[in-house]
Formats: sequence, structure tokens, C-alpha cells
Amino acid sequence: EIVLTQSPGTLSLSPGERATLSCRASQSVSSSYLAWYQQKPGQAPRLLIYGASSRATGIPDRFSGSGSGTDFTLTISRLEPEDFAVYYCQQYGTSPPFTFGQGTRLEIK
Amino acid sequence: EVQLVESGGGLVQPGGSLRLSCAASGFTLSSYWMHWVRQAPGKGLVWVSRISSDGTGTNYADSVKGRFTISRDNAKNTLYLQMNSLRAEDTAVYYCARSGGALLSYWGQGTLVTVSS
Repeated sequence: EIVLTQSPGTLSLSPGERATLSCRASQSVSSSYLAWYQQKPGQAPRLLIYGASSRATGIPDRFSGSGSGTDFTLTISRLEPEDFAVYYCQQYGTSPPFTFGQGTRLEIK
Repeated sequence: EVQLVESGGGLVQPGGSLRLSCAASGFTLSSYWMHWVRQAPGKGLVWVSRISSDGTGTNYADSVKGRFTISRDNAKNTLYLQMNSLRAEDTAVYYCARSGGALLSYWGQGTLVTVSS
């Protein structure tokens, strides 16, 4: 089973700042099958990034993903008020279980 | 518009059973693999199970293997999760999700299952 470790646990920033979230895998994630999801309180998760760096439909270009192998990053270039939420990475390679990271809470400073 | 609506959650005693349903609309259910993911109160997301588009292939997390059964009725556009021998640690919001491969591209709003005496 691939274990995903996200850091930091909580990130406190102000609107307009740049956010950098990390996701590290315990073993290489095949073909960059790494996704990022955003979850706001009381809502279902929403797909942001797939294939490590491709934005899902309708996702603003201030969101970008990068990385390969075991180290991946989600960057939000200029934080908008609606971006404060919890972010999860997930590996969705060829074999289950399709594990998630424990999440990074992005809060307003 | 793709819509997934879960139902069937509620309060159940330890050792009891519950069947969750996920009604799909806005797309052809038979074309997609489907998943269940759960989230305990205040905790993170945990993948639970998946089923192939025709229902012949299934996978489960070790924590639910032998207790939970995923199934589908494509004619009724509905996904199911039969949960038996429920434990307190199964308390969570259960989400169904549509996937391409194992990428969870659309999610329902979830249904809460509480296991308590």
C-alpha cells in the first residue's frame, strides 16, 4: 500500500499570497497517477488536478500541480477567499487501495 | 449535468447492517466504474471500494473486506453498498464517486452512517 504524507498539516496565509502544499509518497506513483482534491466544510471533495499536473474542467489557472515519482506539489499562485479549504492528494494507480493523504488545512491568517 | 445522490444512512447498532444507495443521473452509469469513499467525523478521506462498469469486478479496502459488498443495477442507474457487521469505527459520511480509471471525477454529497448503541 502506498502511504501519502502531506505537509504542512495546516498552512496559514493571507489572500493574495502564494500557497505551496506538498504530498510525498512512500513509493513511486506509477505514471504520475496523482490527484488533488479540495474540500470545503460540509461539502463533498472536488477534483482539482489529475495526472499530477493537469487541471480538471473549470478549475482556475491559479491552481497548478507538479512533481513525479514520490514528490508532488500543489501550488495556488494568488489565494482568493474561496480557496481556504482542506486539500487532499490521492494516488490512483493501477492497483487498489487508492490511498489519500491526511490533508492540508489552508486557513486565513 | 452529472448528479450522484446517496441515501440509506442512519443510526445502527454495532453488529447491525445497512444498505446505502447512490442514484446516478446525467450520464450513462453502465459506462463507468464507481467507488465508495468514507470520511469519519473530523477526519480525512478513506477509499472503501470500487466496482467495474459491468459489475463483474470489485475491490475493497482491507478494513471492510468480508463485511461490505458493493454492487450496481445499471438498469436502475443505482450503485449500492451493503454493510454488515458494522463497527463503531465505520461511523462516517459515505460518498459515492464516478471514476475514469480510479480518478474520482464526480462525487455525491454523502450520507452519514452512525454506528452506536
